[in-house]
This record gives sequence, C-alpha cells and structure tokens, in this order.
Amino acid sequence: QKEVEQDPGPLSVPEGAIVSLNCTYSNSAFQYFMWYRQYSRKGPELLMYTYSSGNKEDGRFTAQVDKSSKYISLFIRDSQPSDSATYLCAMSAGQAGTALIFGKGTTLSVSS
Amino acid sequence: DGGITQSPKYLFRKEGQNVTLSCEQNLNHDAMYWYRQDPGQGLRLIYYSQIVNDFQKGDIAEGYSVSREKKESFPLTVTSAQKNPTAFYLCASSRLAGGPYEQYFGPGTRLTVT
Repeated sequence: QKEVEQDPGPLSVPEGAIVSLNCTYSNSAFQYFMWYRQYSRKGPELLMYTYSSGNKEDGRFTAQVDKSSKYISLFIRDSQPSDSATYLCAMSAGQAGTALIFGKGTTLSVSS
Repeated sequence: DGGITQSPKYLFRKEGQNVTLSCEQNLNHDAMYWYRQDPGQGLRLIYYSQIVNDFQKGDIAEGYSVSREKKESFPLTVTSAQKNPTAFYLCASSRLAGGPYEQYFGPGTRLTVT
C-alpha cells in the first residue's frame, strides 16, 4: 500500500460547481497536511497548510483533515476556469525541515 | 521580490554527461530541498539540506549529488549513474525556526537526456 493515495482523475466540472478532492494515507505519524496547486509545466503553489484534524478555510478553499480515518479533503466552492490545474496533496510527520510525501495529484478541468 | 529561482528552465543533455541544475533562494530560509516529478507522479525527494555544508539523502538519491556552500544556493548534479534522468526537477525551501514552516517551490527545470 502506498503511503499516500490520490485519485488522478481527470475530474471535469462546469464553472460554479463545488469540487471535492481527496487523499488517503497509511502513516499515522503524519500530522501536517498541505494542498498544492500546479499548473502545467510550473512549480507547485501552496494553497492550504493544516495541522492535525479539523477544518481550515481560505476564501473559496476549505481543507479538512480526519486523522481517525486517515483522510484529507480539499473543497473548492464556486469553481472557476482558472482553477483548472493539478492538485497535489502532501503530508509530513515533522513540522520543519522534513520531507513531504506527495500524492500523485488530481487533474481538474473547470469549463465555462 | 522574494522567491526561488531555478535555471535553466529547459535543459537537454546527451546520455553519459553530468549536468548541474541551479537553485537560488532569497527568502532567508534555512532548509532547501530537491524533488523529482515524473509524468502522472507525485514529487519524490532526492536530497535536502537544513544547514550549510550538510545535507541528507532522500528516497531516490542514487545517481545524484548536491552541495550547500551558501545558505542561498543548493545546486543539484545529475550524474551519468542516474538511470532515468529525464524528469521535471523542483527545488523548494522552508524555514526551520520561528515559523511558518511551509515548503515553497521554484518554477522547476525540465531535463531531457537522450
């Protein structure tokens, strides 16, 4: 079993839809959870950073962590064509200076 | 503007040649990282460094070497021993103390070896 599993998609939605992206993981030591957005041929851009279980909201984005189920989610409200990208989940056991373990990424396409 | 720069953006090499990828940051971050990304794959850690003149191997260090002579710079050499060097290489940096601790990425270098 891979440490981090993420459905690669592709996921296609109409503009304005609510998008749900998910990752599962197996290592119970993971405590720090991140979502990155990556446009084609660009470096990943950090969207959300959360610690332990709970929700965090930033504008149209909401990150959820359920450590008991080893499951994290990213919700995008009122999706826009500019949200079309690959979304990578990442996690680590340590807070600083440690390796991130990434999912393979989910490709999202939002049509206008 | 603070950030991470990687050069060149595209790099082409013949098989059997060593090649060095540049990574510079002006964020005053202590830690720097090199990741590799293959099509349809997540990022995998090659090497990381928390302090000048010290670095640790990641999951896929074989065929790669690094140096950290300055806090701002963390070049990666892809040697001829790396069996599948064609990939997208990403450099990142982060704080180690005082927070926040998120890793920020550069724009990447796409290496093609034929």
